[in-house]
Amino acid sequence: AQSVTQLGSHVSVSEGALVLLRCNYSSSVPPYLFWYVQYPNQGLQLLLKYTSAATLVKGINGFEAEFKKSETSFHLTKPSAHMSDAAEYFCAVSEGSSNTGKLIFGQGTTLQVKP
Amino acid sequence: SQTIHQWPATLVQPVGSPLSLECTVEGTSNPNLYWYRQAAGRGLQLLFYSVGIGQISSEVPQNLSASRPQDRQFILSSKKLLLSDSGFYLCAWSVQEKLFFGSGTQLSVL
Repeated sequence: AQSVTQLGSHVSVSEGALVLLRCNYSSSVPPYLFWYVQYPNQGLQLLLKYTSAATLVKGINGFEAEFKKSETSFHLTKPSAHMSDAAEYFCAVSEGSSNTGKLIFGQGTTLQVKP
Repeated sequence: SQTIHQWPATLVQPVGSPLSLECTVEGTSNPNLYWYRQAAGRGLQLLFYSVGIGQISSEVPQNLSASRPQDRQFILSSKKLLLSDSGFYLCAWSVQEKLFFGSGTQLSVL
């Protein structure tokens, strides 16, 4: 069975500092991996996805994530945090099948950006 | 372009009352549709998905049901709400490996 673990339910950084949100996955088949962002009182938006192409994936708003099979990780980073990055971030995994809307989500990490 | 509409945005219901949340998608045909729930302090959990009219798959046993009466309409229902049904409900549709979410319904069962 697949699973996702996000380390740290809350992360706080200063504006301009590096953002690092951790995600580890478990999958018996080659996974598809995703990061979604949820702003207050809104649905989720896709930040980026990994689908077995390049291991370093670039997404929207300056975020990127690196797939490391040996570490079963897919951590999300951004070199310089902006106040508008404050939101909840979800890592997710799918089996990579045709019905790829069936995602397993982590519990989420709330990112706080301090001025 | 494709859009997804979900309503209502917020809902407060007493225990034992019925529930009906509606979701419609525009700008696409024969989409795969999903209902996810986000309980407080937890990640999203897939409740139901549908690959076509009248075709519903349930992912977890629960007090809820789903129906797809039309190609682009997906409804989440309950005959009698429980306190544990409180949460943030998200409708979504998918294309290839991407999920597109509605704005969600915050349901509080009191």
